[in-house]
Amino acid sequence: ETGVTQSPTHLIKTRGQQVTLRCSSQSGHNTVSWYQQALGQGPQFIFQYYREEENGRGNFPPRFSGLQFPNYSSELNVNALELDDSALYLCASSLARGEPIYNEQFFGPGTRLTVL
Amino acid sequence: AQKVTQAQTEISVVEKEDVTLDCVYETRDTTYYLFWYKQPPSGELVFLIRRNSFDEQNEISGRYSWNFQKSTSSFNFTITASQVVDSAVYFCAQSGGTGFQKLVFGTGTRLLVSP
Repeated sequence: ETGVTQSPTHLIKTRGQQVTLRCSSQSGHNTVSWYQQALGQGPQFIFQYYREEENGRGNFPPRFSGLQFPNYSSELNVNALELDDSALYLCASSLARGEPIYNEQFFGPGTRLTVL
Repeated sequence: AQKVTQAQTEISVVEKEDVTLDCVYETRDTTYYLFWYKQPPSGELVFLIRRNSFDEQNEISGRYSWNFQKSTSSFNFTITASQVVDSAVYFCAQSGGTGFQKLVFGTGTRLLVSP
């Protein structure tokens, strides 16, 4: 069973540019959540995708957008990069069964984005 | 709204000392889950434990133990006989129990264990 993978590992961009981060979910999982972890902070929820649709969103502006593909992999896109977007971006996949139980989230290793 | 507070920003101990990391949570949900994660310098989040709101039984796993008290909305984590390898940032987190689920993390406690 393959775990959650993310690419790239590190990325450097300049202010105003656009970036795409990628996440491959664990085999059999249908849900992907994205988190932003700024330096010295805890991860903050960006949004979640379930069966290719956005299922919930945190307090992030519209320039943060995402996609989920039929194979349940996902992309996080950030437009008009700002210095404060520098962070570790984590994705987590899970299997939502539609039952009132907790759906365990498995985290990837993260992508470290630096905006200069 | 959910909120997790980890008041201890950084703790330094000497190897073999016991250390307790505090976590206080807020939620209006009757069903919820609480977690502890470890984040070593490599950055990957390592899952340590999950408890649901209906199970207040304390848990011990080797040198790790967790104390869940609904009366004080706390879920504290104790490392007994700390080791240098325990040095990391530890996060407490919470999730709703039904429907849409997302993890809400605290700000983390950095633990430094020196030899």
